[in-house]
Amino acid sequence: DGGITQSPKYLFRKEGQNVTLSCEQNLNHDAMYWYRQDPGQGLRLIYYSQIVNDFQKGDIAEGYSVSREKKESFPLTVTSAQKNPTAFYLCASSIGGQIPPKQFFGPGTRLTVL
Amino acid sequence: DQQVKQNSPSLSVQEGRISILNCDYTNSMFDYFLWYKKYPAEGPTFLISISSIKDKNEDGRFTVFLNKSAKHLSLHIVPSQPGDSAVYFCAALRNNAGNMLTFGGGTRLMVKP
Repeated sequence: DGGITQSPKYLFRKEGQNVTLSCEQNLNHDAMYWYRQDPGQGLRLIYYSQIVNDFQKGDIAEGYSVSREKKESFPLTVTSAQKNPTAFYLCASSIGGQIPPKQFFGPGTRLTVL
Repeated sequence: DQQVKQNSPSLSVQEGRISILNCDYTNSMFDYFLWYKKYPAEGPTFLISISSIKDKNEDGRFTVFLNKSAKHLSLHIVPSQPGDSAVYFCAALRNNAGNMLTFGGGTRLMVKP
């Protein structure tokens, strides 16, 4: 089955540690996105990538980094510089050039920083 | 500055009745509007979309209405079913903005049997 996988589902880290969240898709989608959701709030865009080896900052990129070395993979690193890292992180992908781009979302990773 | 707002955090409806979820936006340059449905601990799933040049789009029990002059759109679910209970997000898109979606804060719909 095609889809987007995010692992792990729950992640706990100590304050000050960097942590990398995995996102893999086998949908052959060109574009991939990372969002953050906080309780009672909508999704806010962290980073997005439209093609391999290229990515752009979203609305709240500070304290995060990404890479896009392969089409199917878009890992997100939450660095120690991120002030409030505890949140639900969602990865999404979409077909390049589709109008409108229907983004398909993974199941999410809930990160808790202790 | 929130460009997309869903002012009702929650909505409770009886099974079989109509659910109306509202969304307001401030940026007149948006080209498309999309609705996503999200269950707890899962990623959102695409529900329905509408182009800014249309005023209505229908798909089964789901209809989205767009009022450009009021910068307002609404999602109608008729008839509502208990399985529709979820959080609904309105999102907006500008074609020349890298396909980035701007999401509203979501409305939790509860459909009572």
